[in-house]
Amino acid sequence: QKEVEQNSGPLSVPEGAIASLNCTYSDRGSQSFFWYRQYSGKSPELIMSIYSNGDKEDGRFTAQLNKASQYVSLLIRDSQPSDSATYLCAVKKGTGGSYIPTFGRGTSLIVHP
Amino acid sequence: KAGVTQTPRYLIKTRGQQVTLSCSPISGHRSVSWYQQTPGQGLQFLFEYFSETQRNKGNFPGRFSGRQFSNSRSEMNVSTLELGDSALYLCASSPGQGAVNQAFFGQGTRLTVV
Repeated sequence: QKEVEQNSGPLSVPEGAIASLNCTYSDRGSQSFFWYRQYSGKSPELIMSIYSNGDKEDGRFTAQLNKASQYVSLLIRDSQPSDSATYLCAVKKGTGGSYIPTFGRGTSLIVHP
Repeated sequence: KAGVTQTPRYLIKTRGQQVTLSCSPISGHRSVSWYQQTPGQGLQFLFEYFSETQRNKGNFPGRFSGRQFSNSRSEMNVSTLELGDSALYLCASSPGQGAVNQAFFGQGTRLTVV
């Protein structure tokens, strides 16, 4: 079992809908969680980080973390075709300067007009 | 402000050769991390350098090595190349060690081993 699991997709949603991307992780000691967006042929860019249980909102994006269930999700409201990309979930095991991030393989999102 | 610059962008090497990739971080950033991205394994952490010292290391063989210079520029070296080393190699820079939420990726070096 990979340490960080994501459904590879593709997840297809219509424009204006809510896209829900999910990620589970196996290490209960994980403390930091990140969502990256990667357009085809481009490098990843960080869009959200979350460290404590609950929801964190930033514009159209909401990250949700449930450490008891070892589950982190990303909701994209009012999805746009420009949101079509691969979304990578990353989990950091250590604290402070100990930086060993583990990435999921990513979920491909397609937003169709 | 210039972003993270990786050179070269594309590289073709023969099995058994060695290769050196370069990464220039954003001005003022002192941490450089390296990653390997393949379709099969996804994005995997190689190592992080901060203040010219390797601070963290992923689970890769010793053929993968790196260094960082006093100006924070970093190089990654892969010796005795194998076909499986074909991948996109990305570096990311951040202001401080482990500052994931402030990290920016370069455009990557696409390495093909034949």
